[in-house]
Amino acid sequence: SQQGEEDPQALSIQEGENATMNCSYKTSINNLQWYRQNSGRGLVHLILIRSNEREKHSGRLRVTLDTSKKSSSLLITASRAADTASYFCAPEDAGGTSYGKLTFGQGTILTVHP
Amino acid sequence: EPEVTQTPSHQVTQMGQEVILRCVPISNHLYFYWYRQILGQKVEFLVSFYNNEISEKSEIFDDQFSVERPDGSNFTLKIRSTKLEDSAMYFCASRSWVSSYEQYFGPGTRLTVT
Repeated sequence: SQQGEEDPQALSIQEGENATMNCSYKTSINNLQWYRQNSGRGLVHLILIRSNEREKHSGRLRVTLDTSKKSSSLLITASRAADTASYFCAPEDAGGTSYGKLTFGQGTILTVHP
Repeated sequence: EPEVTQTPSHQVTQMGQEVILRCVPISNHLYFYWYRQILGQKVEFLVSFYNNEISEKSEIFDDQFSVERPDGSNFTLKIRSTKLEDSAMYFCASRSWVSSYEQYFGPGTRLTVT
């Protein structure tokens, strides 16, 4: 399976501001997932967007997918200090037989200052 | 809400010793995974397990590693003869079925090899 590349590597914002992070990938996908990891802890699944979807919302999260540009973005609105974490995208290859193997990049480290 | 659990939370062992890391996946899930994260590095896939056999493994998962689902609830990772470079956080994850792509991660076991 392919690895997504997150950008920026680090993002520092004030509480209440919006945070946008981006993910690029290389080959066609079935879906793309976003995960969060708080320092030293397990990953938490945030949202999945399928290749035939362009936008998806979940609470304060908004994910977009542009398959023509092979990119996705994750927007967190009205950020809170508790959103401080690393965020990862995980594209799932189209037509693959990877049994769901996820390949993670370095992620975006988000710091939300109170 | 069901969750993946892992024991122990921290394991210290001497180089050359065998360790077994234990995971209890979510009960109706069918796909199981181990990942590891060396301090300061990205989360790396080790192995996936489905229908009582390994479905995919990474280059990291050499002959020193093995997985087992001994009793229908536990999912274990065994490292036969630990090396210093095996020191890492080990995460277990599970996924419900073929069309549900989200993976649910456990909190991890920190393995320290001295």
